[in-house]
Amino acid sequence: GESVGLHLPTLSVQEGDNSIINCAYSNSASDYFIWYKQESGKGPQFIIDIRSNMDKRQGQRVTVLLNKTVKHLSLQIAATQPGDSAVYFCAENNQAGTALIFGKGTTLSVSS
Amino acid sequence: NAGVMQNPRHLVRRRGQEARLRCSPMKGHSHVYWYRQLPEEGLKFMVYLQKENIIDESGMPKERFSAEFPKEGPSILRIQQVVRGDSAAYFCASSPRTTMNTEAFFGQGTRLTVV
Repeated sequence: GESVGLHLPTLSVQEGDNSIINCAYSNSASDYFIWYKQESGKGPQFIIDIRSNMDKRQGQRVTVLLNKTVKHLSLQIAATQPGDSAVYFCAENNQAGTALIFGKGTTLSVSS
Repeated sequence: NAGVMQNPRHLVRRRGQEARLRCSPMKGHSHVYWYRQLPEEGLKFMVYLQKENIIDESGMPKERFSAEFPKEGPSILRIQQVVRGDSAAYFCASSPRTTMNTEAFFGQGTRLTVV
C-alpha cells in the first residue's frame, strides 16, 4: 500500500541550531514530494517541494534532500528560530497523481 | 490575492444532524481537495474534485459523506447524520492543476465537533 512515515514524532532544539527532520516513504513510483508546516489551529503551510529527478533543493533557510535509493526524504532548517516551532509533515503524490499522502508529522520545539 | 477560504471555522453539531463545510479555492484554481485530520495525526485524503466532476473519491467513507464542486460557488463537503467519530478538522486545498507536480494551498480548516 501507499504510506509515508517519519522517523521521530518529536524534535527539540535550541534556537540557532540546525534542525533535521526525516521522512521515509514507501512508493518508489512517487515523483513529487512536499514538506508542510502546520502551526496549532492552522492549516498546513507549504515550505518546499522537490521532484524525483532532483536530489537536493534549497530555499530560504531550508533544504530538502531526496534519496531515492533508500526512499528517504529530509528537511533541514538552518539557524532554527522559535517561530519554526510547529508540526512538520512530508507528503508524496499517490500513484494516480490525484492526491497527496501525508505522514504523521514531527513536532519541532525550539527553545530560546 | 485571497487564499483558500473555508467556513465555518468551527462547527458544532448534535449527533444525527447534518454538517455542511464550504471551501472557496484560490482565484484561478479549478482543482479542490478535501482532507480530514484527527487529533495528533496527519491529514488523510478524502476526495478530489474539479468543477462539476468528482475525480477521485477513494478516501471518502461509503455512507453519509458527499462532496460537490458546482460550476458556480464553493465546494461543499456534506456529512449527513453525524456521529461522534466525525469530529475532526477538515481541510480544503486547491491547486491550478493536479498535485502530481505542483503544490496545493490549504485553507485554515473547519473544526467539526459532534456532541
